[in-house]
Amino acid sequence: DIQMTQSPSSVSASVGDRVTITCRASQGISIYVVWIQLKPGKAPKSLIYAASNLESGVPSRFSGSGYDTHFTLTISSLQPEDFATYYCQHYYNYPLTFGGGTKVEIK
Amino acid sequence: EVQLVESGGALVQPGGSLRLSCVASGFAFSDHYMDWVRHVPGKGLEWVGRSRDHSKSYTTEYAASAKGRFTISRDESTNSVHLQMSNLKTEDTAVYFCARVHCIGVYCYSGEYWGQGTLVTVSS
Repeated sequence: DIQMTQSPSSVSASVGDRVTITCRASQGISIYVVWIQLKPGKAPKSLIYAASNLESGVPSRFSGSGYDTHFTLTISSLQPEDFATYYCQHYYNYPLTFGGGTKVEIK
Repeated sequence: EVQLVESGGALVQPGGSLRLSCVASGFAFSDHYMDWVRHVPGKGLEWVGRSRDHSKSYTTEYAASAKGRFTISRDESTNSVHLQMSNLKTEDTAVYFCARVHCIGVYCYSGEYWGQGTLVTVSS
């Protein structure tokens, strides 16, 4: 199975800060990563698919990049509604696996 | 409008069984793959399994933790996807989400639309 390793596990940041989250795959997965936002009591929300493609309706302050084993999610200017936990998931083969998550907290 | 509504979560004893349902509306249900994903309290997300679309005869894939204990099925008459869980363990305690899968070519991710989830608690 492909392991997805996310870092950091948590980050404290202020509104307006730039935040970058990293995800590393245990083997090459081309571009097949999706980034998902999870808030308590809410449905998960996919933000970025195929490493760098923004889902419809997702603000442009979210961006993704990467290929093969190294991927990043960047929030260019953190907004109050962005405090949440973020997960990467690969979909290169079965089983699909998630990273451990990155909790973005208010500083 | 795409909607996914899960139900069936409950408190169940270890070794017991439970059937979760996800009713879909607002899209051509038979044309889409569907996933089950769970969120363990205080931990992360875990992909549970997948039902492919009608053209693939609704064939399924499972995570290792689900294989042999969980079964995903579909009911076209009610636009529902079900997760039948048996021999439940305390570590199956989680909020279970269904998601409409987004496929681009042969690559498909737990996708654009998710339900609100249903809580399964396995405890004696």
